[in-house]
Amino acid sequence: NAGVTQTPKFQVLKTGQSMTLQCAQDMNHEYMSWYRQDPGMGLRLIHYSVGAGITDQGEVPNGYNVSRSTTEDFPLRLLSAAPSQTSVYFCASSSRGAGSTDTQYFGPGTRLTVL
Amino acid sequence: AQSVTQLGSHVSVSEGALVLLRCNYSSSVPPYLFWYVQYPNQGLQLLLKYTTGATLVKGINGFEAEFKKSETSFHLTKPSAHMSDAAEYFCAVRVIQGAQKLVFGQGTRLTINP
Repeated sequence: NAGVTQTPKFQVLKTGQSMTLQCAQDMNHEYMSWYRQDPGMGLRLIHYSVGAGITDQGEVPNGYNVSRSTTEDFPLRLLSAAPSQTSVYFCASSSRGAGSTDTQYFGPGTRLTVL
Repeated sequence: AQSVTQLGSHVSVSEGALVLLRCNYSSSVPPYLFWYVQYPNQGLQLLLKYTTGATLVKGINGFEAEFKKSETSFHLTKPSAHMSDAAEYFCAVRVIQGAQKLVFGQGTRLTINP
């Protein structure tokens, strides 16, 4: 049971480049989320998904796209990277329904630098 | 809307001293509250959570927190700090219903002095 995995761990992009941050979980969790972490601002929600085929925007969605074709995977796409997207990105997952503990399990993060 | 305020971005204590990290929340409904810890270059790990029931919640590594509705607080404490407690700590409140979105405080970096 690997939990929540993220790739890559580090990435450097030039302004305008595109890339996809990968996130996968093997706990059969319905809920998955993407957060970004910036100094002094805690974690802010970018996008989230309540199940395969269903996604919605969080607090800071601009510049990011997501899709959820399977329960396991929830990739985050940057279509045209900007220096303001330099951050550490965390993926999280949790279960729902009767007996749900509401506990979100976090991946190890991806550190992204946009030059 | 739910929100979280952590008082003090940096807290420094001596090894063996009491650790107190402050968290105040705003919520229009009974909140679900969480404390997460982040060790350097790692992801977030759940320390403890309050959902319903007993207001004093015990977590891992000797930490505990008390939910005080009248003070809208959920402060994190540990009686005796250890060097391994040095990390960043985040308080979070769950946005109501359905999506299990979390709203985080800005974090408190805990330093332990030998």
